[in-house]
Amino acid sequence: DQQVKQNSPSLSVQEGRISILNCDYTNSMFDYFLWYKKYPAEGPTFLISISSIKDKNEDGRFTVFLNKSAKHLSLHIVPSQPGDSAVYFCAASAGMYSGGGADGLTFGKGTHLIIQP
Amino acid sequence: DARVTQTPRHKVTEMGQEVTMRCQPILGHNTVFWYRQTMMQGLELLAYFRNRAPLDDSGMPKDRFSAEMPDATLATLKIQPSEPRDSAVYFCASRLGSLHGELFFGEGSRLTVL
Repeated sequence: DQQVKQNSPSLSVQEGRISILNCDYTNSMFDYFLWYKKYPAEGPTFLISISSIKDKNEDGRFTVFLNKSAKHLSLHIVPSQPGDSAVYFCAASAGMYSGGGADGLTFGKGTHLIIQP
Repeated sequence: DARVTQTPRHKVTEMGQEVTMRCQPILGHNTVFWYRQTMMQGLELLAYFRNRAPLDDSGMPKDRFSAEMPDATLATLKIQPSEPRDSAVYFCASRLGSLHGELFFGEGSRLTVL
């Protein structure tokens, strides 16, 4: 049972346009969310995070939006650049504010973003 | 340059053989995780340690997998006997302290079991 779902295995976007990657979760105890980026033959690297007390977090070209009522978050990249081509993983954890959470992150299956020149 | 180091980077072995993967977490990080990446399941948590003590290995097939931390600078993941379905990329990650926050991943060990 996937608690974190990324329903688009791949996404193709033209360079300079906005990339929007989506993620849904089912566990209402999740209160901290992260996005990781992964290039081939490398480990995932942290990109941006958001806690459940916020609905938006921005870092340069990257913005993450959280809609708690819909149990949905999205990552916006604008403008998209060729170096953004990678697999993006959404991840979540529980217990930051409610207590009793477990260590470790629950990951989605990833979305392969392809930036077209 | 602090990073998580994993060996081997690639391993090809035959079914039934023992496989050991090693991880050196970032110096000072006290929580170490093993994840497995497959096309079907994405990134799955296999096991993790805090201060060298195993806290959760519920994601691991217990009959053939074992994870240990002989000391603070070494974590191992062993598969005995290996099976073709174990073919995957195995990632080690580490973090300092608190329950939340980013994990720092190694480059992974790609295992192929024939």
